[in-house]
Amino acid sequence: KAGVTQTPRYLIKTRGQQVTLSCSPISGHRSVSWYQQTPGQGLQFLFEYFSETQRNKGNFPGRFSGRQFSNSRSEMNVSTLELGDSALYLCASSAGTPDTGELFFGEGSRLTVL
Amino acid sequence: QQQVKQSPQSLIVQKGGISIINCAYENTAFDYFPWYQQFPGKGPALLIAIRPDVSEKKEGRFTISFNKSAKQFSLHIMDSQPGDSATYFCAASGNNFNKFYFGSGTKLNVKP
Repeated sequence: KAGVTQTPRYLIKTRGQQVTLSCSPISGHRSVSWYQQTPGQGLQFLFEYFSETQRNKGNFPGRFSGRQFSNSRSEMNVSTLELGDSALYLCASSAGTPDTGELFFGEGSRLTVL
Repeated sequence: QQQVKQSPQSLIVQKGGISIINCAYENTAFDYFPWYQQFPGKGPALLIAIRPDVSEKKEGRFTISFNKSAKQFSLHIMDSQPGDSATYFCAASGNNFNKFYFGSGTKLNVKP
């Protein structure tokens, strides 16, 4: 069974630009979550999508948004990039039911904002 | 406010020794406590998890000890091996939501 696939793996942007990251979950998984990982901060929850609906949201500004498609693939978008947005963005999929269970993480998209 | 506090930030253990990582939480609604292991360049992977109805769970060399009254849980790695060198994250979730709060991570270095 293929794992969680994230693209692109690395990208460099400049302040003010926007970026879109993509995540393909494990086949059959309906829940996709996004986390931001930075040194010293650990992993911070961005949002979770289940069956194309945002089910949970973290404490990030509105510049961070996401969506999920009917095939469970998900994208997250960050607009008006700031230097502090430089991080590893991790996508995780899970079966989604029951609601709390194992998260399967991708290898992440490393974003550098200059 | 950090929902899950993890210590130590880094840990050096000799091969064959015991590695102990501690976590504390505030929210009594949390009912699922996993530990994740992350190697450089990889995403975190579930190592072991526990629910508050038991005080201990063991899987091979890895054991979670859970103290509900103290709102603390810890990971013990017995007979630590160089291959265990990685960053470990504790996490917590509750209220049947797929929203996890992670600790800040512990970088473990097992010396041969």
